[in-house]
Amino acid sequence: LAKTTQPISMDSYEGQEVNITCSHNNIATNDYITWYQQFPSQGPRFIIQGYKTKVTNEVASLFIPADRKSSTLSLPRVSLSDTAVYYCLLILTGGGNKLTFGTGTQLKVEL
Amino acid sequence: EAQVTQNPRYLITVTGKKLTVTCSQNMNHEYMSWYRQDPGLGLRQIYYSMNVEVTDKGDVPEGYKVSRKEKRNFPLILESPSPNQTSLYFCASSIRAGPDPNNEQFFGPGTRLTVL
Repeated sequence: LAKTTQPISMDSYEGQEVNITCSHNNIATNDYITWYQQFPSQGPRFIIQGYKTKVTNEVASLFIPADRKSSTLSLPRVSLSDTAVYYCLLILTGGGNKLTFGTGTQLKVEL
Repeated sequence: EAQVTQNPRYLITVTGKKLTVTCSQNMNHEYMSWYRQDPGLGLRQIYYSMNVEVTDKGDVPEGYKVSRKEKRNFPLILESPSPNQTSLYFCASSIRAGPDPNNEQFFGPGTRLTVL
């Protein structure tokens, strides 16, 4: 099964752009890449999903290179409220519809 | 309001006393699943259901049961809870399983379970 690898933690300051990279070397042809955000004691919340190239919404951008073996979540001008855990998730077509979250990246934003 | 609800939100119980955590969604979603979250281990899928009467094991199914008799409900059953099942549990639903640009998972608020 395809596995994702992310940094355990990242620190940033308000107003900066934050890029979190996820590695997924064994991604399958039809798999989508999805990112979720989780605040303490809350359920994860969908941020963005993509298949290739670049996807942008009102919250973030997702960059996916041509080989799709990695992806980068970009958060523009972060604020204190963006402090959370961010999960990279593959929507697997060959994994029996199981969803596998990794341990995520703890982003801490400071003043 | 479109949502996933879980009950109870907090539960303290003792080893061996059967319990059920309910999960309900009002979005007519086909796919539902249960996760547990433990420090340092992230979210791990326990069971999932593709539709009514269709359930399958996730990554950590031991000690748990589920049922999907109705589309909106997906209860998690612990027949004989043990202390290692102390965890934060989340129920989630989505329109369907599989890759789909609009197929985001909606998570419930969580149930914090303590087994003494």
